[in-house]
Amino acid sequence: AQTVTQSQPEMSVQEAETVTLSCTYDTSENNYYLFWYKQPPSRQMILVIRQEAYKQQNATENRFSVNFQKAAKSFSLKISDSQLGDTAMYFCAFIPGTASKLTFGTGTRLQVTL
Amino acid sequence: NAGVMQNPRHLVRRRGQEARLRCSPMKGHSHVYWYRQLPEEGLKFMVYLQKENIIDESGMPKERFSAEFPKEGPSILRIQQVVRGDSAAYFCASSPRDSTNYGYTFGSGTRLTVV
Repeated sequence: AQTVTQSQPEMSVQEAETVTLSCTYDTSENNYYLFWYKQPPSRQMILVIRQEAYKQQNATENRFSVNFQKAAKSFSLKISDSQLGDTAMYFCAFIPGTASKLTFGTGTRLQVTL
Repeated sequence: NAGVMQNPRHLVRRRGQEARLRCSPMKGHSHVYWYRQLPEEGLKFMVYLQKENIIDESGMPKERFSAEFPKEGPSILRIQQVVRGDSAAYFCASSPRDSTNYGYTFGSGTRLTVV
């Protein structure tokens, strides 16, 4: 069974600063995909970034980037130049290449302050 | 493209009543997934459906819960004889054929409150 662990229940960052959210996972699969989702107060689940396990290059989407360490089973999210609109719950998620269901972590609540 | 549409957005039911949650996938998407989010928790997988077929229901409670995705119309998650513990946000997601590795597109969820 796969598990996803987010060890930071809450984080705070000042506007324009950089913050890193941690995620570790456990799996015996070799082919899989990892995701970060953002859930603002509106409750909408928004895909922020995805990473394919067989790609060594870390994914980047504008101000969002990941540090994917396959051997350590670590998948952290870095948010640069934080904006007030980044305030949300952030969920790390995992899906094996052979299955269809996402496994989510328990989330990190990020607060961006002035 | 209207995205994944879920309704109602909020649903209040008394204990013992039935709850019916609807999900219309994105245009062109034939795979639908239901997830449940309890307060202060991540989403937990419930069921995966394709048109007229249940593919994986390993996350569905054995009693009172059922799901369908008919040939025509939205997918329905049905909860019979609701109890307080069913209070949660229920999310639907959809994906095109064989594209689950792209992480789906989620709807805005239905918040079910059982009183």
